[in-house]
Amino acid sequence: EDKVVQSPLSLVVHEGDTVTLNCSYEVTNFRSLLWYKQEKKAPTFLFMLTSSGIEKKSGRLSSILDKKELSSILNITATQTGDSAIYLCAVEAETSGSRLTFGEGTQLTVNP
Amino acid sequence: DAEITQSPRHKITETGRQVTLACHQTWNHNNMFWYRQDLGHGLRLIHYSYGVQDTNKGEVSDGYSVSRSNTEDLPLTLESAASSQTSVYFCASSESLAYNEQFFGPGTRLTVL
Repeated sequence: EDKVVQSPLSLVVHEGDTVTLNCSYEVTNFRSLLWYKQEKKAPTFLFMLTSSGIEKKSGRLSSILDKKELSSILNITATQTGDSAIYLCAVEAETSGSRLTFGEGTQLTVNP
Repeated sequence: DAEITQSPRHKITETGRQVTLACHQTWNHNNMFWYRQDLGHGLRLIHYSYGVQDTNKGEVSDGYSVSRSNTEDLPLTLESAASSQTSVYFCASSESLAYNEQFFGPGTRLTVL
């Protein structure tokens, strides 16, 4: 059974701080790892990672995959209150037919 | 613009009643998914479909059913609602090719009293 574990489960920081969110996984025949941001409603897609060591960036957010360690990190620099959300990590297996297995999520709160 | 919608957005029902949650997407995606989200569990897959007339059980399918009569819709039915099915339900869709992210609907908050 595929498994995704995220840490920490919750995090409170001040505006301007840099945060690192962790995601580790156990999956047979790994295909991809995805990060989503969930504010008060639907999760929205951030990144898809398939190759180890290649960083994906979008503004202040970046993510990298380590297939040897079966993990990924999501970095957010110069945090803003608008970054407050649940960040979800999910994995897709080659044999899963596009199904995703999600972690529990990290609740990030950015205080002014 | 293409989108995915869910209705109703909020629903209160009583134990034992049948409830149907609607999901409609205009992306023309073959793949559609239903999840429930509960504190401490993240998103868990209930049912999914790869195309018309195709349906499959996910990890928490007991007490739920789906049907796919066209590409755009995947309604989720709770046969006899139970308090344990109080949750937020999300529908999602994706293209049938590999390496495609899922797009999520706005969610339905269901309360079973």
